[in-house]
Amino acid sequence: EPEVTQTPSHQVTQMGQEVILRCVPISNHLYFYWYRQILGQKVEFLVSFYNNEISEKSEIFDDQFSVERPDGSNFTLKIRSTKLEDSAMYFCASGTDGSYEQYFGPGTRLTVT
Amino acid sequence: DQQVKQNSPSLSVQEGRISILNCDYTNSMFDYFLWYKKYPAEGPTFLISISSIKDKNEDGRFTVFLNKSAKHLSLHIVPSQPGDSAVYFCAASAKPGNTGKLIFGQGTTLQVKP
Repeated sequence: EPEVTQTPSHQVTQMGQEVILRCVPISNHLYFYWYRQILGQKVEFLVSFYNNEISEKSEIFDDQFSVERPDGSNFTLKIRSTKLEDSAMYFCASGTDGSYEQYFGPGTRLTVT
Repeated sequence: DQQVKQNSPSLSVQEGRISILNCDYTNSMFDYFLWYKKYPAEGPTFLISISSIKDKNEDGRFTVFLNKSAKHLSLHIVPSQPGDSAVYFCAASAKPGNTGKLIFGQGTTLQVKP
């Protein structure tokens, strides 16, 4: 069964460093998303991406964040200058046209020290 | 942002019995609702969904009920199995198809005891 994959599974970085989280969505999906879950809190929407552009973003998704689909398979989230409060699980998700269901990857645990 | 609320942080049931997980929402613009299951160290897994034009959707042991007037939905698992032990998230969407974000509740941890 096709699935969303994410790398790395765990990333440790120092405050102020740049990180890139990678995702490979399900191959025939057209909609891509990033969510995050801070420990003990809700899963929160960050950004949605369709047709090579951002379709919606939350107030969390400020200028420090960017997304890119550099080729036909990868979807990346970049955090330019990490802060302690960026420590969270980051989930990538994808979906098909005409369907509400979003399929999530296993997540990347980001730890900012 | 409390648009989707799961007021019970945890639920414990005996194997073979019914599990009922509840979810309330405040935004009347939501038109589609989904339930996800999450095991530790894994991403949320889609379980079952329901459109706002329906009041019930069933898939095997899982049934979701929607009461639009009360802005309430529930997930019933019958019979419950130990493998169902996980965190269950209710989520809602206010935009058609996959154009919009999902808004999640806080989750309910279900423990099914053998």
